[in-house]
Amino acid sequence: GQQVMQIPQYQHVQEGEDFTTYCNSSTTLSNIQWYKQRPGGHPVFLIQLVKSGEVKKQKRLTFQFGEAKKNSSLHITATQTTDVGTYFCAKTGANNLFFGTGTRLTVIP
Amino acid sequence: NAGVTQTPKFQVLKTGQSMTLQCAQDMNHNSMYWYRQDPGMGLRLIYYSASEGTTDKGEVPNGYNVSRLNKREFSLRLESAAPSQTSVYFCASRRDSTYEQYFGPGTRLTVT
Repeated sequence: GQQVMQIPQYQHVQEGEDFTTYCNSSTTLSNIQWYKQRPGGHPVFLIQLVKSGEVKKQKRLTFQFGEAKKNSSLHITATQTTDVGTYFCAKTGANNLFFGTGTRLTVIP
Repeated sequence: NAGVTQTPKFQVLKTGQSMTLQCAQDMNHNSMYWYRQDPGMGLRLIYYSASEGTTDKGEVPNGYNVSRLNKREFSLRLESAAPSQTSVYFCASRRDSTYEQYFGPGTRLTVT
């Protein structure tokens, strides 16, 4: 279908540990976006990746786009309790987005 | 700027009742969207509007209708609510130049 597959569905980490979520597509992606949704909140745009092999950093967050533009990852270094939430990747269609099922991150203090 | 606003925040309906969810954005975006979010299902697109005067079906349009009233407002109507429509509904608008979407705070709807 149109969705992208995202793994894992859930991840529990101790505060200070690293965290990675992966997004995979069976088709080549024109670009990919990442969103974060805090518990009880709404999705908030984090970043968009466009180029093959692109790597972008936002403080402790590192986003990668695969060389074949079929997968992407989000890595958080030294998680903090403020990182709690669900992280979604989304692939762009002509006029809309198709979201992955998300990875829910729990950070244990 | 308020961004994207939605009303109401919460709603409980009985099966068969109708209601309209309201959404407005003040960012002058052309494209607007309605999603529903269910546990473990991510966000699924119900309808979208690429510009004022146009609407198109998304992945899960059955049981819903939409109206793009003007550039600012995009409403979602449930004509005859069903328990399967219990969900959290998000409205979003899209920045034309960068494609990022801005979401409203959501409406939590329960149909009994």
